[in-house]
Amino acid sequence: LAKTTQPISMDSYEGQEVNITCSHNNIATNDYITWYQQFPSQGPRFIIQGYKTKVTNEVASLFIPADRKSSTLSLPRVSLSDTAVYYCLVETGNQFYFGTGTSLTVIP
Amino acid sequence: ETGVTQTPRHLVMGMTNKKSLKCEQHLGHNAMYWYKQSAKKPLELMFVYNFKEQTENNSVPSRFSPECPNSSHLFLHLHTLQPEDSALYLCASSQLSTSGSYEQYFGPGTRLTVT
Repeated sequence: LAKTTQPISMDSYEGQEVNITCSHNNIATNDYITWYQQFPSQGPRFIIQGYKTKVTNEVASLFIPADRKSSTLSLPRVSLSDTAVYYCLVETGNQFYFGTGTSLTVIP
Repeated sequence: ETGVTQTPRHLVMGMTNKKSLKCEQHLGHNAMYWYKQSAKKPLELMFVYNFKEQTENNSVPSRFSPECPNSSHLFLHLHTLQPEDSALYLCASSQLSTSGSYEQYFGPGTRLTVT
């Protein structure tokens, strides 16, 4: 059972780098790790996905250590519009294990 | 705009009512999903349809009944619900591939209140 756990909330000042870590101790060999962002009154939106090592796209980076028991979403230079809830997801076949989400508040 | 629409956006129903939630995806995807999102709880996967066939039912009560008439439409039929069923119901779609990784596109959700 690839249960995921993540911090409930985080605060950051504008312009800083934010790192949100998710633990998934029981991740299986073929599982992927995906992060989603959710604003109030909207559905989650895909941010980034990875399997191992490091993945980078235009909005974020995802770091996955060799044992894959955790992953870290890195948001460079956050702005006020990055205030949202961030979810870690581990996909095991047709089973999806979302974390409880990390509420990020960006402070001016 | 994610390409996934849901109607209605808000629904209030009594415990003896019957209602349906509708989801439509305009992305040409081959899989669709229903999720339940309650306050302070992880998103819960309710149903998965791959190629219009239901492949997962995570022990969801029978008062929730899904229907997938084609690859673009998904319904969730509701009857004799309980107050604890009040939640945000999210629909998502994805394009399954042999690589095993795929991005889900979520609709805006239907906020359901059972009175």
